Amino acid sequence: QKEVEQDPGPLSVPEGAIVSLNCTYSNSAFQYFMWYRQYSRKGPELLMYTYSSGNKEDGRFTAQVDKSSKYISLFIRDSQPSDSATYLCAMSARGNNRLAFGKGNQVVVIP
Amino acid sequence: GAVVSQHPSWVICKSGTSVKIECRSLDFQATTMFWYRQFPKQSLMLMATSNEGSKATYEQGVEKDKFLINHASLTLSTLTVTSAHPEDSSFYICSAGGRTSGRGEQFFGPGTRLTVL
Repeated sequence: QKEVEQDPGPLSVPEGAIVSLNCTYSNSAFQYFMWYRQYSRKGPELLMYTYSSGNKEDGRFTAQVDKSSKYISLFIRDSQPSDSATYLCAMSARGNNRLAFGKGNQVVVIP
Repeated sequence: GAVVSQHPSWVICKSGTSVKIECRSLDFQATTMFWYRQFPKQSLMLMATSNEGSKATYEQGVEKDKFLINHASLTLSTLTVTSAHPEDSSFYICSAGGRTSGRGEQFFGPGTRLTVL
């Protein structure tokens, strides 16, 4: 079983829809959870950062972490064509700088 | 967020030559830097972790004599691909985490696209 599972299937949504992305993980030591956005031919950009369980909201983006289920989510409200990118979940354990990544989800927002 | 730059953004070289890629953290001191490579439509693959002033730790399967990493200062790490071959063509990305991080965050550079002819 991989440490982090993220269904890489492309996701196409109409503009204005809610985008829902998620990852599951197996390592209960993970404490820090991140979502990165990567545009084509660019480096990943840190979008959301969450420590332990809970929700975090930043504008149109909401990140949720459920440690009991080992499940994290990212929601994008009122999606825009500029949100079209690949979204990678990542996580790490306390005291360990290494990140475990999901495979990434390619999201296409259709105008 | 913190700003990390990479240079060059793209490079084309002949087989057998060496290529150096620079990674700089512009607004914070990075005690640890990471080097990744990414193939099209795939996730990032960690190649090595470097700590300032010490030798890099390479991931299994990554040849340390081929991918030379130097982290001479808190703001600069370099990756040198020696005797490059076409199979080394890839997107190389560095990231930095450090004293202002300490919580698993990594800040990525824009990447360097290497094409070996």
